[in-house]
This record gives sequence, structure tokens and C-alpha cells, in this order.
Amino acid sequence: EIVLTQSPGTLSLSPGERATLSCRASQSVNSNNLAWFQQRPGQAPRLLIFGASSRATGIPDRFSGSGYWTDFTLTISRLEPEDFAVYHCQQYDRPPYTFGQGTKVEIK
Amino acid sequence: QVQLVQSGAEVKKPGASLKVSCKASGYNFISYNIHWVRQAPGQGLEWMAIITPSGGGTTYAQKFQGRVSVTRDTSTSTVYMELSSLISEDTAVYYCLRGGYDSGGGVWGQGTMVTVSS
Repeated sequence: EIVLTQSPGTLSLSPGERATLSCRASQSVNSNNLAWFQQRPGQAPRLLIFGASSRATGIPDRFSGSGYWTDFTLTISRLEPEDFAVYHCQQYDRPPYTFGQGTKVEIK
Repeated sequence: QVQLVQSGAEVKKPGASLKVSCKASGYNFISYNIHWVRQAPGQGLEWMAIITPSGGGTTYAQKFQGRVSVTRDTSTSTVYMELSSLISEDTAVYYCLRGGYDSGGGVWGQGTMVTVSS
């Protein structure tokens, strides 16, 4: 089973700042089959990034994903008020298609 | 547009079984896998299972082996997730999620809140 470890657990930032979130895999994730989801309180998650770096339809370009093999990063270039939420990474390379434990981006 | 609509909230007693439905629309149902994911209160996302609607093949997380069953009805474009021998730790929001993230996937159902309590 691929274990995904996200860091930090909580990121305290101000609107307009840059956020950098990490997702580290215990084994190589082939073909960059790594996704990022955003989850606002009381809502279902929403797909942001697939294939490690491709933005899903309708996702603003302030969101970008990068990385390969075992180290992946989600960057939010300038935080908007609606970006304060929890972010989850998921590997869909091989089952079980595990998630990280999540990173909460909160207002400082 | 792609949409997944789940059945409503449930309250169950320990030892009972649960069946949650997920009705798909807006795309060719048999072309994309459906995942089941759950989220306990205040916790992260936990992957449970996946089904390939075209042939009905399934894969389950080892944690749920023997207790979970995912099926589909292609005539109604609906996927079902059954979980048996419920315990309090099964209290969670259960979600279905369409695969094929590079083809309009990554869409989630609205979630089904399940409470297990005596």
C-alpha cells in the first residue's frame, strides 16, 4: 500500500500570500497518477489537479501542481479568501487508492 | 454535466448493515470507474473500494474486505455500496467519486451521513 504523508498539517497564512503544500509517497507513483482535492467546511471535496500537474476544468491558474515519483507539491500563488480550506492528495496509480491525511490552510 | 446523486442520511444500530446508492448522470455510465470514500467526523478521507461498471469488477481496501460489497445496476446507472456488521467507528460521511480524472472525472456525490449508534 502506498502511504501518502502531507505536510504541514496546518498552514497559517494571510490572503495574498503564497501557499506551498507537500505530499510525499512511500513508494513511487508511476505515470504521475497523483491528484489534489480541495474541501471546504461542510462540502464534498473538489478536484483541483490530476496527473500531478494538470488543472481540472474551471480551476484558476493560481493553483499549480508539480513533482514526480515520490515528492509532489501543490502551490497556490496568491491566496484568495475562498482558498482557506483543507487540501487532500490522492494516488490513483494502484489500489488501494490512498489519500494523504490532509493539510488545512487557515487564515493567519 | 457529470452528476452523482447519493441516497439520504441513515441511522443504524451496531451490528446492522448499510446500503448507500449513487446515481450517475451526464456521461456514459459504463465508461468510468466509481470509487467509494468515507470521512469520519473531523478526519481525513479514507478510500474504501472501486467498481468498474462495464464488467462489475471490484477492488476493496483490505481493511473492509469481507464487510463491504459494491455492485452496480447499468439499467439505472446506479452504484451501491453495502457495509455490514456496523460499529460506532463506521460513523462517517460516505462519498462516491467518479474516476477518469483526465476526462471530466473527479466529481463527487454530495455525501451520505451515516450514524451508527445504539
